Parts: sequence; C-alpha cells; structure tokens
Amino acid sequence: QKEVEQDPGPLSVPEGAIVSLNCTYSNSAFQYFMWYRQYSRKGPELLMYTYSSGNKEDGRFTAQVDKSSKYISLFIRDSQPSDSATYLCAMCGAGSYQLTFGKGTKLSVIP
Amino acid sequence: KAGVTQTPRYLIKTRGQQVTLSCSPISGHRSVSWYQQTPGQGLQFLFEYFSETQRNKGNFPGRFSGRQFSNSRSEMNVSTLELGDSALYLCASSPGEVGVTCAEAFFGQGTRLTVV
Repeated sequence: QKEVEQDPGPLSVPEGAIVSLNCTYSNSAFQYFMWYRQYSRKGPELLMYTYSSGNKEDGRFTAQVDKSSKYISLFIRDSQPSDSATYLCAMCGAGSYQLTFGKGTKLSVIP
Repeated sequence: KAGVTQTPRYLIKTRGQQVTLSCSPISGHRSVSWYQQTPGQGLQFLFEYFSETQRNKGNFPGRFSGRQFSNSRSEMNVSTLELGDSALYLCASSPGEVGVTCAEAFFGQGTRLTVV
C-alpha cells in the first residue's frame, strides 16, 4: 500500500461546477498537508496548506483534513477553465522537509 | 523576488552517460530538495540539502547524487544513465530553518531529461 493514495482521474466538469479532490494516507506521523497545482510542462505551484486537522479557505478553494480518517480534500467552487491542471496532494511530518505526494488528479473544466 | 531557477530545461542523453542538473533557490532560502516525477511513480523524493549538508535521502540508487554550494545553489548528478531515468527532475526551495515547515517549499519549472 502506498503511503498516499490519490485517484488519478481524469476528472472532467462543466464550468461553474464544484470540484472535490481527495487523498487518503496511511502514515499517522504526517502533520502538514498541502495541495499543489501543476500545469502541463510546469513545476508544481503551492495552492494551500493545512496543519493537522481542520479546514482552511482561500478564495474559491477550501482544504479539509480529517486526521482520524486519514483523509484530505480540496474543494474548488465556481470552477473555471483556467483551473484545468493536475492537482497533487502532498504531506510531511513535523520537522521534516521530505514531501510525500499523491500521484495527482488531472482536472479538466469545460467551458 | 526571483523564483526557483532550474537549468537546463530540457536534456537528451544516451544510456551510460552522466548528467548534471542545476538549481538556484529563492534568495535567502538555504534548503534545496530534489524530486523525480514520472507518469508511473509520480513525484518521488531524492534528497535534501541544507547549508551544504545532505539532511535526508530518498530510496534511490547511488547513481543519483547531489551537492550544495555555499551560496545555496545545488546540483544533482546521475551517472550511468538508464532509460528509466527519463523523467522531470524538480527542485524545491525552502528557508530550511528550524520551525519553518515543509509547507514552505516552492518548486522550479523542472528539467526534462530524456535518455535514449
């Protein structure tokens, strides 16, 4: 079993839809949970991060972490064609700089 | 503030050759991490350097090595290239200080290595 599981998709939604992206993990030592967005032929761009359990909102994006279930989510409201990209979840333990990534979910937002 | 710069952007090498990739971190950042991204395995951690010292290493063979210079720039080297080394190699820059989290990692555009 991989440490971080993420459905690779692809996921195709109409413009304006609410998108839900998810990851599960097995390592209970993970404390920091990140979401990166990666456009084709580019490096990953940090969208948001959450420490431990809870929710965090930034504009159209909301990140949720449920440590009891070892489950994290990213919600995108009012999705736009410019949101079309691969979304990667990543996580690490306290004091560590080694990120463990999911394989990424490819999202297409259709105008 | 300039971002993370990786050079070159693209490389084509032949099996058995060696290659050196370069990463210049964000000004003031002292930690540099390297990752390999492939369609099959996703992003995998190679190693992390802080103040010229390797602090952490992933599960890759000894053909993969790296170093960091006093100005925090880092290089990674792959010797005796294999077809399976074809990948996007990404560098991430972080302040690296105690108390600064892994969440403060910013990635470069990557170097696309093709081994033929």
